[in-house]
Amino acid sequence: KAGVTQTPRYLIKTRGQQVTLSCSPISGHRSVSWYQQTPGQGLQFLFEYFSETQRNKGNFPGRFSGRQFSNSRSEMNVSTLELGDSALYLCASSDTSGGDGYTFGSGTRLTVV
Amino acid sequence: AQSVSQHNHHVILSEAASLELGCNYSYGGTVNLFWYVQYPGQHLQLLLKYFSGDPLVKGIKGFEAEFIKSKFSFNLRKPSVQWSDTAEYFCAVSRRGGYNKLIFGAGTRLAVHP
Repeated sequence: KAGVTQTPRYLIKTRGQQVTLSCSPISGHRSVSWYQQTPGQGLQFLFEYFSETQRNKGNFPGRFSGRQFSNSRSEMNVSTLELGDSALYLCASSDTSGGDGYTFGSGTRLTVV
Repeated sequence: AQSVSQHNHHVILSEAASLELGCNYSYGGTVNLFWYVQYPGQHLQLLLKYFSGDPLVKGIKGFEAEFIKSKFSFNLRKPSVQWSDTAEYFCAVSRRGGYNKLIFGAGTRLAVHP
């Protein structure tokens, strides 16, 4: 089966701009979670969506938001970009219990200049 | 709050050496445990997972891990490493029956020399 697809793979944005990242989960997976990976902070949980509802949120400012559509595809948005938002953003999909493990996409590398 | 501690940030081994990467977690409830690997330039891949049952779990590529509940540990092992095992390894935990939220350790960079 097809894996988790994230688009775009690379993005360069300017401070103050906003950005939207997209994630298409594995077919049949209804849970999508987002993570930020940086050299300094490692992998940090952003939020998780299931059936279009945000079920859990990490410790990130309100500039980070997301949503999930009825087809389980998810988007995350970062507004008023800061240099520190430069990171690899990873999306993971799973079934409701996580019993399959979490399958990760290749990520979107965001660079803020 | 949940946390995961990986003891070694960098490990250097020669091919055929044995590997053990430490992982301890802090959480009062029942957890699911995972090891992920990230090869250079690639995405995170699941090596193995523990939910319940036999505390010794076997994963892909000859890796195994042992869950020791009394020590809150989930150490990763491989009897004989290969150059192709050069990668970063992440231990992660999620709350059993909870929402899909993974807490990751800081990762261990493994370099295997031929």
